This record gives sequence, C-alpha cells and structure tokens, in this order.
Amino acid sequence: DAKTTQPPSMDCAEGRAANLPCNHSTISGNEYVYWYRQIHSQGPQYIIHGLKNNETNEMASLIITEDRKSSTLILPHATLRDTAVYYCIVRLNYGGSQGNLIFGKGTKLSVKP
Amino acid sequence: EPEVTQTPSHQVTQMGQEVILRCVPISNHLYFYWYRQILGQKVEFLVSFYNNEISEKSEIFDDQFSVERPDGSNFTLKIRSTKLEDSAMYFCASSEGKREYYEQYFGPGTRLTVT
Repeated sequence: DAKTTQPPSMDCAEGRAANLPCNHSTISGNEYVYWYRQIHSQGPQYIIHGLKNNETNEMASLIITEDRKSSTLILPHATLRDTAVYYCIVRLNYGGSQGNLIFGKGTKLSVKP
Repeated sequence: EPEVTQTPSHQVTQMGQEVILRCVPISNHLYFYWYRQILGQKVEFLVSFYNNEISEKSEIFDDQFSVERPDGSNFTLKIRSTKLEDSAMYFCASSEGKREYYEQYFGPGTRLTVT
C-alpha cells in the first residue's frame, strides 16, 4: 500500500497557486518524495522529487517539512491544463525494492476559470 | 525531448488470445517497467527489467505474463491467454537507474480491451 495520505480532491482558480499537501509520516531517512500527475488516463508524468531540501523546477516547487513527515507541491500559476490527478509517492529505498513506484489514489485537482 | 513510445494505442482482442504490447524506452535508459491501470483504479506495478532479466515482479505478474527486450530498442509485454480482467491501460516506463533518485518516465499507454 501507498505510504502517503492525500486529500481526494481540490479546486483551484486559474492563475492562482495550487498547493497540494501530502502526509508521509512513516518516511525513512533515505526515501525520496516524488510527485507525478496523470491527465485523464494518459501516462503518469513526472513532476519533481526531493529528499530533504526544497526543490524547484520549471513545473513546480516542492516544500518538505523539516521532520520530512509531510510535503507540499506548489504549482505557482495554475492553468486549466493542470487539471489532473496528482500523486505523492514515497520511493522505496534501494535495499527493499528495485525502484518500482507505488501509486495511491492521489488528489484530483480541478482548475477552474 | 526524448520520450517513451508505446504501440498500439488501443488493442482489442478476444478472450484466450495472445497479445503483445510494445514499448520503445528512452535510448540511454537501462531500467524498464510495466504498470497497468484498470479503469477507475490505481496505477499498479507489474514488473521491472534490467540487463535482460526480470528484477522484480508483483503478484499480478503471473505465468500468463512475460517480458522481453528482443533487440536494442524495443521492450515488450506478452499476455499468453487474455482474460476479461486483463482489460486495462498498460503503461511502459524507463529510467536511467533504479536507485530512488532516478525518475521514471512513462509512455502514453496501450488500452487493452478483452472481449
């Protein structure tokens, strides 16, 4: 089972920041937090990942709390094309797995005009 | 930007028939994966593959399934005798490495419909 907890759905106004929370209270020290999204049955799309520090790329920012028990994905200026299911995934560490991703139910983000 | 491709986009087959789903991973990637998603359900891991052998497989990946890298570019998933419950989207993914800091890139998927 997924090691993360996410709200099932969220709404966001177009042009505003979308802040998607994720709880991962049982995360281990060498496990990364990954975010993917899936737009209407397309293949999951990689967004960003991080270990301890906050990360930013051209798509989003990832804020990880100091205790690493939760994180927030931030889409700074949401557009209608960002409507998707967003998955927060704790990546199993090297010793326990060959790296497969375990998807939960994710958060369905609806960006509204 | 390099991407994972999959063919066909949609495959319809009759129960009991064999199907082969094809994937072309990103060229410098070494690790390959198959996932599936039954309509309305979660994305589920099936199998990972490295150095021409299976690295890990889930309980879903039973004897009816097999994977192969027949040449330097293709990665295939074969279902020997399809069942109605095999109807799903099948996603191929690839990554440079298997460690937890290597992201996996997914293809667009093949929708398999078993009638």
